[in-house]
Amino acid sequence: QAGLTQPPSVSKNLRQTATLTCIGNSNNVGNQGAVWLQHHQGHPPKLLFYRNDNRPSGISERLSASRSGNTASLTITGLQPEDEADYYCSAWDSTLSVWVFGGGTKLTVL
Amino acid sequence: QLQLQESGPGLVKPSETLSLTCIVSGGSISSGRYLWGWIRQLPGKGLEWIGTIYYSGTTSYNPSLRSRVTISVDTSKNQYSLMLNSLTAADTAVYYCAREWLLYLGFDSWGQGSLVTVSS
Repeated sequence: QAGLTQPPSVSKNLRQTATLTCIGNSNNVGNQGAVWLQHHQGHPPKLLFYRNDNRPSGISERLSASRSGNTASLTITGLQPEDEADYYCSAWDSTLSVWVFGGGTKLTVL
Repeated sequence: QLQLQESGPGLVKPSETLSLTCIVSGGSISSGRYLWGWIRQLPGKGLEWIGTIYYSGTTSYNPSLRSRVTISVDTSKNQYSLMLNSLTAADTAVYYCAREWLLYLGFDSWGQGSLVTVSS
């Protein structure tokens, strides 16, 4: 099934701002909204945002998320070494009746 | 604090059936506020949703895997299970169990993951 589109990699310097994008369609991101996950290899994924821009408790305020149309974005300000990870977007596709994921973006903090 | 832990074999032969269990602690699987799911990560690739179950036994499966997947729940043991049959090397992956919020809000708690290798 069609997944969500994310850039494979993004590199930014320490303390800079990174914006990651996720492109879906009107059946998934544009409908139920996007979910963002952070994944450090060897550890379980961590929920960062749900329904586009809702932050669970305990998630740093350096992170923010938004959606415009069928595109979701995750922004991380003041990049820290611990932000280096894989970031996945996900959404429920109401037509396919399946959770779809992006291929993930590897964020490197230089 | 909610914890999920996958258990099962690390190595399975082709054509056989994979059986994994997710043991839930620190919370009740019978809470009507959540669903309970399985997700896998194929080597060098992204995440793939396998399916989800509600405590009542209602299931939802990925259409691409539906013919080979069964998810069941045992509320008395506070655990749920995944069975995937007719395995091939393409099923080699890290398998995660995860709790899903209702209304398609996403997966908020994950197990550590269980590496399953399909090989003779």
